[in-house]
Amino acid sequence: NAGVMQNPRHLVRRRGQEARLRCSPMKGHSHVYWYRQLPEEGLKFMVYLQKENIIDESGMPKERFSAEFPKEGPSILRIQQVVRGDSAAYFCASSPPGGRVNEKLFFGSGTQLSVL
Amino acid sequence: QKEVEQNSGPLSVPEGAIASLNCTYSDRGSQSFFWYRQYSGKSPELIMSIYSNGDKEDGRFTAQLNKASQYVSLLIRDSQPSDSATYLCAVRVNRDDKIIFGKGTRLHILP
Repeated sequence: NAGVMQNPRHLVRRRGQEARLRCSPMKGHSHVYWYRQLPEEGLKFMVYLQKENIIDESGMPKERFSAEFPKEGPSILRIQQVVRGDSAAYFCASSPPGGRVNEKLFFGSGTQLSVL
Repeated sequence: QKEVEQNSGPLSVPEGAIASLNCTYSDRGSQSFFWYRQYSGKSPELIMSIYSNGDKEDGRFTAQLNKASQYVSLLIRDSQPSDSATYLCAVRVNRDDKIIFGKGTRLHILP
Protein backbone atom coordinates (compact mmCIF):
# COMPACT_ATOMS: atom_id res chain seq x y z
CA ASN A 1 0.00 0.00 0.00
CA ALA A 2 1.64 3.18 -1.18
CA GLY A 3 -0.79 5.52 0.59
CA VAL A 4 -0.43 7.54 3.77
CA MET A 5 -0.49 5.14 6.71
CA GLN A 6 -1.76 6.18 10.12
CA ASN A 7 -1.92 4.09 13.25
CA PRO A 8 -3.64 3.28 15.39
CA ARG A 9 -7.08 3.79 13.80
CA HIS A 10 -8.66 4.07 17.23
CA LEU A 11 -6.94 5.06 20.46
CA VAL A 12 -8.56 5.16 23.88
CA ARG A 13 -6.82 6.94 26.73
CA ARG A 14 -7.80 7.97 30.24
CA ARG A 15 -7.38 11.54 31.37
CA GLY A 16 -3.75 12.26 32.22
CA GLN A 17 -2.26 9.57 29.99
CA GLU A 18 -0.15 10.15 26.90
CA ALA A 19 -1.30 9.62 23.33
CA ARG A 20 1.10 8.88 20.46
CA LEU A 21 -0.21 9.04 16.92
CA ARG A 22 1.90 7.78 14.03
CA CYS A 23 1.96 8.71 10.38
CA SER A 24 4.03 7.27 7.54
CA PRO A 25 3.82 9.48 4.43
CA MET A 26 3.46 8.27 0.88
CA LYS A 27 6.62 7.00 -0.74
CA GLY A 28 8.64 9.92 -2.05
CA HIS A 29 6.81 12.47 0.10
CA SER A 30 8.90 14.42 2.57
CA HIS A 31 6.30 16.84 3.95
CA VAL A 32 3.74 15.93 6.58
CA TYR A 33 0.76 17.86 7.93
CA TRP A 34 -1.35 17.12 10.99
CA TYR A 35 -4.97 18.26 11.27
CA ARG A 36 -7.61 17.83 13.98
CA GLN A 37 -11.28 17.40 13.20
CA LEU A 38 -14.18 17.57 15.64
CA PRO A 39 -17.64 16.19 14.70
CA GLU A 40 -19.42 18.43 12.17
CA GLU A 41 -16.32 20.64 11.97
CA GLY A 42 -13.72 21.22 9.31
CA LEU A 43 -10.05 20.36 9.48
CA LYS A 44 -8.07 22.52 11.87
CA PHE A 45 -4.41 22.92 10.95
CA MET A 46 -2.00 21.91 13.69
CA VAL A 47 1.53 21.50 12.35
CA TYR A 48 3.53 21.18 9.13
CA LEU A 49 6.83 19.29 9.12
CA GLN A 50 9.51 18.04 6.82
CA LYS A 51 12.22 15.56 7.73
CA GLU A 52 13.93 16.69 10.98
CA ASN A 53 12.35 20.16 10.73
CA ILE A 54 9.16 21.84 11.91
CA ILE A 55 8.08 24.32 9.25
CA ASP A 56 4.96 25.73 10.91
CA GLU A 57 3.46 24.79 14.27
CA SER A 58 1.21 27.80 14.64
CA GLY A 59 -1.93 25.67 14.96
CA MET A 60 -0.66 23.46 17.72
CA PRO A 61 -1.36 24.25 21.40
CA LYS A 62 1.79 25.42 23.16
CA GLU A 63 1.37 23.01 26.04
CA ARG A 64 1.06 19.21 26.04
CA PHE A 65 1.30 18.85 22.23
CA SER A 66 4.44 18.11 20.25
CA ALA A 67 5.27 16.73 16.82
CA GLU A 68 8.32 15.31 15.15
CA PHE A 69 9.32 13.82 11.83
CA PRO A 70 12.68 12.11 12.26
CA LYS A 71 15.12 11.23 9.51
CA GLU A 72 14.10 7.59 9.85
CA GLY A 73 10.63 6.38 10.79
CA PRO A 74 7.16 7.88 10.91
CA SER A 75 6.00 11.29 12.01
CA ILE A 76 4.71 11.29 15.59
CA LEU A 77 2.08 13.56 17.11
CA ARG A 78 2.35 13.35 20.88
CA ILE A 79 -0.25 14.57 23.34
CA GLN A 80 0.75 14.52 26.98
CA GLN A 81 -1.69 14.47 29.91
CA VAL A 82 -4.72 14.14 27.67
CA VAL A 83 -8.01 15.78 28.60
CA ARG A 84 -11.52 15.06 27.33
CA GLY A 85 -11.33 18.04 24.99
CA ASP A 86 -8.55 16.29 23.07
CA SER A 87 -11.05 13.69 21.82
CA ALA A 88 -11.18 14.13 18.06
CA ALA A 89 -10.14 12.63 14.74
CA TYR A 90 -6.53 13.41 13.91
CA PHE A 91 -5.62 13.30 10.24
CA CYS A 92 -2.18 13.20 8.75
CA ALA A 93 -1.51 14.25 5.17
CA SER A 94 1.62 14.20 3.06
CA SER A 95 2.83 16.07 0.01
CA PRO A 96 5.82 15.80 -2.31
CA PRO A 97 9.04 17.71 -1.62
CA GLY A 98 9.89 21.10 -3.07
CA GLY A 99 7.33 23.39 -1.47
CA ARG A 100 5.96 24.34 -4.86
CA VAL A 101 2.78 26.34 -4.83
CA ASN A 102 0.85 23.61 -6.60
CA GLU A 103 1.28 20.88 -3.97
CA LYS A 104 -1.73 18.73 -3.10
CA LEU A 105 -2.37 16.78 0.07
CA PHE A 106 -2.92 13.04 0.35
CA PHE A 107 -4.63 12.01 3.57
CA GLY A 108 -4.33 8.99 5.79
CA SER A 109 -7.37 7.27 7.28
CA GLY A 110 -7.06 9.17 10.53
CA THR A 111 -6.77 8.24 14.21
CA GLN A 112 -9.87 8.60 16.36
CA LEU A 113 -8.74 9.55 19.84
CA SER A 114 -11.20 9.02 22.67
CA VAL A 115 -10.35 10.30 26.14
CA LEU A 116 -12.33 8.73 28.98
CA GLN B 1 -6.16 35.62 11.12
CA LYS B 2 -6.33 33.80 7.80
CA GLU B 3 -9.77 32.27 7.24
CA VAL B 4 -11.71 30.19 4.78
CA GLU B 5 -15.49 30.52 4.99
CA GLN B 6 -18.15 28.13 3.76
CA ASN B 7 -21.86 27.79 4.31
CA SER B 8 -22.25 24.67 6.45
CA GLY B 9 -25.51 23.61 4.79
CA PRO B 10 -27.00 21.13 4.40
CA LEU B 11 -27.50 21.92 0.75
CA SER B 12 -30.19 19.73 -0.79
CA VAL B 13 -30.18 19.28 -4.57
CA PRO B 14 -32.39 17.00 -6.69
CA GLU B 15 -30.66 14.20 -8.54
CA GLY B 16 -29.60 15.32 -12.00
CA ALA B 17 -29.49 19.02 -11.09
CA ILE B 18 -26.43 21.27 -10.66
CA ALA B 19 -25.01 21.63 -7.16
CA SER B 20 -23.21 24.91 -6.46
CA LEU B 21 -20.81 25.18 -3.53
CA ASN B 22 -19.19 28.45 -2.51
CA CYS B 23 -16.15 29.52 -0.52
CA THR B 24 -14.52 32.82 0.40
CA TYR B 25 -11.03 33.38 1.78
CA SER B 26 -9.41 36.24 3.63
CA ASP B 27 -5.76 36.21 2.48
CA ARG B 28 -5.50 38.16 -0.76
CA GLY B 29 -2.05 36.67 -1.44
CA SER B 30 -3.34 33.09 -1.60
CA GLN B 31 -2.29 31.27 -4.73
CA SER B 32 -3.61 27.70 -4.63
CA PHE B 33 -7.17 26.55 -4.07
CA PHE B 34 -8.52 23.07 -3.58
CA TRP B 35 -11.81 21.24 -3.16
CA TYR B 36 -11.85 18.06 -1.10
CA ARG B 37 -14.72 15.64 -0.64
CA GLN B 38 -15.20 13.83 2.65
CA TYR B 39 -17.69 11.04 3.18
CA SER B 40 -18.92 10.50 6.73
CA GLY B 41 -16.31 8.69 8.80
CA LYS B 42 -13.73 8.80 6.01
CA SER B 43 -10.70 10.90 5.18
CA PRO B 44 -10.79 13.83 2.74
CA GLU B 45 -9.92 13.19 -0.89
CA LEU B 46 -8.87 15.79 -3.43
CA ILE B 47 -11.32 16.32 -6.29
CA MET B 48 -10.25 19.65 -7.83
CA SER B 49 -7.46 22.17 -7.70
CA ILE B 50 -7.35 25.62 -9.31
CA TYR B 51 -4.65 28.29 -9.44
CA SER B 52 -5.73 30.89 -12.03
CA ASN B 53 -8.78 33.09 -12.38
CA GLY B 54 -11.57 31.54 -14.41
CA ASP B 55 -13.03 28.08 -14.76
CA LYS B 56 -11.45 24.66 -14.67
CA GLU B 57 -13.47 21.63 -15.72
CA ASP B 58 -12.90 17.96 -14.89
CA GLY B 59 -15.72 15.63 -15.84
CA ARG B 60 -18.87 16.66 -13.98
CA PHE B 61 -16.91 19.07 -11.78
CA THR B 62 -16.09 22.72 -12.52
CA ALA B 63 -14.05 24.90 -10.19
CA GLN B 64 -14.33 28.67 -10.53
CA LEU B 65 -11.87 31.19 -9.10
CA ASN B 66 -12.20 34.96 -8.76
CA LYS B 67 -9.17 36.35 -6.94
CA ALA B 68 -10.44 39.94 -7.04
CA SER B 69 -13.52 38.89 -5.07
CA GLN B 70 -11.57 36.29 -3.05
CA TYR B 71 -14.12 33.71 -4.04
CA VAL B 72 -13.88 30.12 -5.23
CA SER B 73 -16.76 27.81 -6.12
CA LEU B 74 -17.41 24.22 -7.17
CA LEU B 75 -20.17 23.19 -9.55
CA ILE B 76 -21.29 19.58 -9.80
CA ARG B 77 -23.34 18.82 -12.91
CA ASP B 78 -25.78 15.93 -13.18
CA SER B 79 -25.67 15.39 -9.41
CA GLN B 80 -25.75 11.78 -8.26
CA PRO B 81 -26.68 10.33 -4.85
CA SER B 82 -23.04 9.26 -4.53
CA ASP B 83 -22.10 12.96 -4.53
CA SER B 84 -23.73 13.30 -1.10
CA ALA B 85 -20.83 14.22 1.18
CA THR B 86 -19.16 17.16 2.88
CA TYR B 87 -17.15 19.37 0.54
CA LEU B 88 -14.16 21.15 2.04
CA CYS B 89 -12.63 24.23 0.48
CA ALA B 90 -8.89 24.62 1.12
CA VAL B 91 -6.50 27.46 0.45
CA ARG B 92 -2.72 27.47 0.37
CA VAL B 93 -1.44 30.52 2.19
CA ASN B 94 1.18 32.18 0.06
CA ARG B 95 3.98 32.96 2.46
CA ASP B 96 4.26 29.96 4.74
CA ASP B 97 2.81 27.13 2.64
CA LYS B 98 0.38 25.75 5.20
CA ILE B 99 -3.02 24.77 3.82
CA ILE B 100 -6.12 26.02 5.60
CA PHE B 101 -9.53 24.38 5.33
CA GLY B 102 -13.03 25.74 5.68
CA LYS B 103 -15.55 23.96 7.87
CA GLY B 104 -17.17 22.34 4.85
CA THR B 105 -20.59 22.28 3.22
CA ARG B 106 -22.78 19.22 3.61
CA LEU B 107 -24.35 18.29 0.29
CA HIS B 108 -27.36 15.99 0.07
CA ILE B 109 -28.51 14.77 -3.33
CA LEU B 110 -32.20 13.88 -3.30
CA PRO B 111 -33.02 10.72 -5.33
